[in-house]
Amino acid sequence: KQEVTQIPAALSVPEGENLVLNCSFTDSAIYNLQWFRQDPGKGLTSLLLIQSSQREQTSGRLNASLDKSSGRSTLYIAASQPGDSATYLCAVRRFIYNQGGKLIFGQGTELSVKP
Amino acid sequence: GAVVSQHPSWVICKSGTSVKIECRSLDFQATTMFWYRQFPKQSLMLMATSNEGSKATYEQGVEKDKFLINHASLTLSTLTVTSAHPEDSSFYICSAKRAFFQETQYFGPGTRLLVL
Repeated sequence: KQEVTQIPAALSVPEGENLVLNCSFTDSAIYNLQWFRQDPGKGLTSLLLIQSSQREQTSGRLNASLDKSSGRSTLYIAASQPGDSATYLCAVRRFIYNQGGKLIFGQGTELSVKP
Repeated sequence: GAVVSQHPSWVICKSGTSVKIECRSLDFQATTMFWYRQFPKQSLMLMATSNEGSKATYEQGVEKDKFLINHASLTLSTLTVTSAHPEDSSFYICSAKRAFFQETQYFGPGTRLLVL
């Protein structure tokens, strides 16, 4: 059974710091991995999607890496801003023939960036 | 971009009543829709997957008779929590995608359910 774990559960940093969020998964047979952002009481916004054959993806100040063999992914946020404060969720996608892709989520890292 | 809406955004009901939550894809046709449940400070747990016109596939441990899912059209799926109890209080999020094998899922804003 695939399990996704995110460390740390919560993180508080001063504005301007570079930071790394960690995600690990137990079954390396994934189709891809996706990072999401969730603001309090809201739905999810997709940030980055890394295919199983890729090593990293970048979007602006965000960089996500994937090491499938070791079951790890990291989300790197450069020059953090108060607007980055949110919960960041990592999810791996399994392919199930009769259901299409199925996302399995970690419990999230709650990030607070102080001005 | 693709937009998914949910209605209502929050609902309070008495124990024993049934509550219906709607999920709509506003600007695309959704072949597949997903329903998730999220407890405070916890992850999203997939409850069921529904394909338009067919019965929903429920995850292990999810009671299909308690959480009724209907995906009658390509733009609408409903989740009905029957005989709701306080332990059903949670944040329910739906997600939709255009095609069965497509990767991109679009998430709704969620519905907060509080059962008194």
